[in-house]
Amino acid sequence: QSVLTQPPSASGTPGQRVTISCSGSRSNIGTNAVNWYQQLPGTAPKLLIYSNNQRPSGVPDRFSGSKSGTSASLAISGLQSEDEAEYHCAAWDDSPNGPVYVFGTGTKVTVL
Amino acid sequence: EVQILESGGGLVQPGGSLRLSCGASGFTFSRNAMHWVRQAPGRGLEWVAGMSGSGDATFSADFVKGRFTISRDNFKDTLYLQLNSLRVEDTAVYYCAKEAAVWDAFDVWGQGTVVTVSS
Repeated sequence: QSVLTQPPSASGTPGQRVTISCSGSRSNIGTNAVNWYQQLPGTAPKLLIYSNNQRPSGVPDRFSGSKSGTSASLAISGLQSEDEAEYHCAAWDDSPNGPVYVFGTGTKVTVL
Repeated sequence: EVQILESGGGLVQPGGSLRLSCGASGFTFSRNAMHWVRQAPGRGLEWVAGMSGSGDATFSADFVKGRFTISRDNFKDTLYLQLNSLRVEDTAVYYCAKEAAVWDAFDVWGQGTVVTVSS
C-alpha cells in the first residue's frame, strides 16, 4: 500500500515544463530524503533523482527535484518524447516497527 | 559494468513456495545493502524487503512478515528471497535492487523475474 501520494497522470507538449507532486508525512518525506525513479514502458525502474535534488551521472539536467516539508516535486523542463514514462517518488519511512521504504502511487507522463 | 540478474520466478499455486535469486557483478557485493521490490500488473512499485551488506540487518514490509525471507551469500554475490504461503495477490514482477552506499537510494536494478500465483 502506497504511503506517498502522486497524481495519476501528467502531460505536456514537447518543450513544455511538467511538474509532478509527491505528498507524504513527517515520518517519511518530513524526515528523510526523497528519491525519484523513472520507469519506461516494459522496463525496470531507473534512479532519476536522489537526496531530494541530486542527479546521478548521465541523467539530463532538464530533470530536477525539490522538497519542502512533507512534500516533494519533480520537474521536467523541455519535455521530450523519450520522457514518456511512469515516475515514482520514494523515501524511507521511520515507522514504529522499523524503517520501511515507501513508494509513491506513480505518475504516468504523456508527451502530447 | 555493474549488473544484477534475477531468476527463479514462475507459476505456482496458492499456498506454494518459490525461491528467487539475484546474482550481482561489477561491484563489491558485500559493501552494499540489497533489496527486493515488486510490481503487480498495472500497479505501482512496492518495497518488499532489504538486507545490509554484511547480512546482519534485515528490514521488511508488514505484508511480508512470516511468509517471505530475505537472505544473501556474499561468497556467491547472490541475494535470495524465499516466498512461502503465496497468495494470488503476490503475483508481480519481483525486482532486485542495489542500494547506493551513501545515498539511501536504489541505484541499480535488475530486469525482474515474474511470479504468477494461480490455480
